[in-house]
Amino acid sequence: DGGITQSPKYLFRKEGQNVTLSCEQNLNHDAMYWYRQDPGQGLRLIYYSQIVNDFQKGDIAEGYSVSREKKESFPLTVTSAQKNPTAFYLCASSMEGARVETQYFGPGTRLLVL
Amino acid sequence: AQSVTQPDIHITVSEGASLELRCNYSYGATPYLFWYVQSPGQGLQLLLKYFSGDTLVQGIKGFEAEFKRSQSSFNLRKPSVHWSDAAEYFCAVGDREYGNKLVFGAGTILRVKS
Repeated sequence: DGGITQSPKYLFRKEGQNVTLSCEQNLNHDAMYWYRQDPGQGLRLIYYSQIVNDFQKGDIAEGYSVSREKKESFPLTVTSAQKNPTAFYLCASSMEGARVETQYFGPGTRLLVL
Repeated sequence: AQSVTQPDIHITVSEGASLELRCNYSYGATPYLFWYVQSPGQGLQLLLKYFSGDTLVQGIKGFEAEFKRSQSSFNLRKPSVHWSDAAEYFCAVGDREYGNKLVFGAGTILRVKS
C-alpha cells in the first residue's frame, strides 16, 4: 500500500534536547511538507520541499530544521531553540511542488515536553 | 495576506439532520479549494476539492461543496449526518500566486447527537 508513515507516534523531549521526527512516503511524490497543529489554530506550515536537496521555510520555521536528501524522506528536527514545541506534527506530500496539488497526510506525531 | 475563515468553531447536529459547514477565503483570482476531515489523533483525509469547472463538487462519504466566487465561499454540505461523521473539518485554499502552498482554516468540530 502506498502512503505516508510518521514515527514515532508519541515523542517526549527534555529541556535543551533536540529531537527528530521521521516522515517517509512511498507515493513517489516530489513535494513534502511539515505542519504544526495546535488546538483552535488549524495547521501552520513549518517547512516544505518541492524537490530533493531543496527546501524552504514556511510561516513558523524558527526553532526547526529539515533535510531532504532522499525523495521519500523528509525528517524534521525540533531544536532546543523552539521554546514551545508541544504540538501535533503532521507530514504531507503532493505529486508536484510546482503547482497547487492535493496534499496527502501522514498519521502525525505528538510531541510532549517532559 | 491570504486567509481562510471557518466561522464556526463547534457545530452540533442531530443524527439524520442536514449539515452545512462554512468556509470563506481571502485570495487571488484562481483559488484551489479543499475540504479535509480529521478524526482525533489522526492525520487529515481529503473529502473533496475544487480546481475548476462545475462549481458543485461531490466528495467521499456523501459530502458535497459549492464554490461561490461572488461570496468567496466554499461551504461543505451533507444532507443526512451519521454518527460516524463526528470529527474536525478543515477548509484549505491554495493559489499559484502564493507559491502553491495551502493555507488552512482553524477547523470546525462537528458533534453528532443521537
